[in-house]
Amino acid sequence: SYELTQPPSLSVAPGQTANIPCGGHRIGGRSVHWYQQRPGQAPVLVVYDDTDRPSGIPDRFSATNSANTATLTISRVEVGDEADYYCQVWDAIDDHYVFGPGTKVTVL
Amino acid sequence: QDHLVRSGVEVKRPGASVKVSCKVPGHTFANSAVSWARQAPGQGLEWMGWITPYNGNTNYARHLRDRLTLTADMSMELRSLTSDDTAFYFCARKSLTNSYFDPWGQGTLVIVSS
Repeated sequence: SYELTQPPSLSVAPGQTANIPCGGHRIGGRSVHWYQQRPGQAPVLVVYDDTDRPSGIPDRFSATNSANTATLTISRVEVGDEADYYCQVWDAIDDHYVFGPGTKVTVL
Repeated sequence: QDHLVRSGVEVKRPGASVKVSCKVPGHTFANSAVSWARQAPGQGLEWMGWITPYNGNTNYARHLRDRLTLTADMSMELRSLTSDDTAFYFCARKSLTNSYFDPWGQGTLVIVSS
């Protein structure tokens, strides 16, 4: 089955940029989606199909996907961005959906 | 932003079953699938399965296939519960043509304890 990797945690200062990687074998050939989950809340979709943002998601959130790594970038980080971030793909071979283990972003 | 409604907290004994409903006031899933995922306390997200309510088609995660039933009334039933099933259970909408989940429900906490 397909597996995704993410670093467990990442710290960033307010106003700086956070780059959250999501690794997977040839992930560049798959559509990657990203979710933000604040403490005690349900996940919220912040990027879909590699680079697209749902309505209401600020343009500070952007993403790329190439080769073996997809990356979610949060520019001009705010305290409110402190959350867990999960990448997700569809595994066509198993017709299953796979989440990465998540990265906890702490805003110092 | 569309928000699904949580169903609360369920406490179950080991070996019992739990049924959780996904309620969406003012929203239809006629052209979508209802997907379910769970999250053990302090852990990551785990996809469980989806159902298309209009025709009853289902797709279950392999390791839950024997214990999980999703129904067209947008409910999820998990049988033969163990402490490992203690988790928040979320429903989410998935379009028929895309592979992402949006929006998500607030989740139901299921506690399995003797």
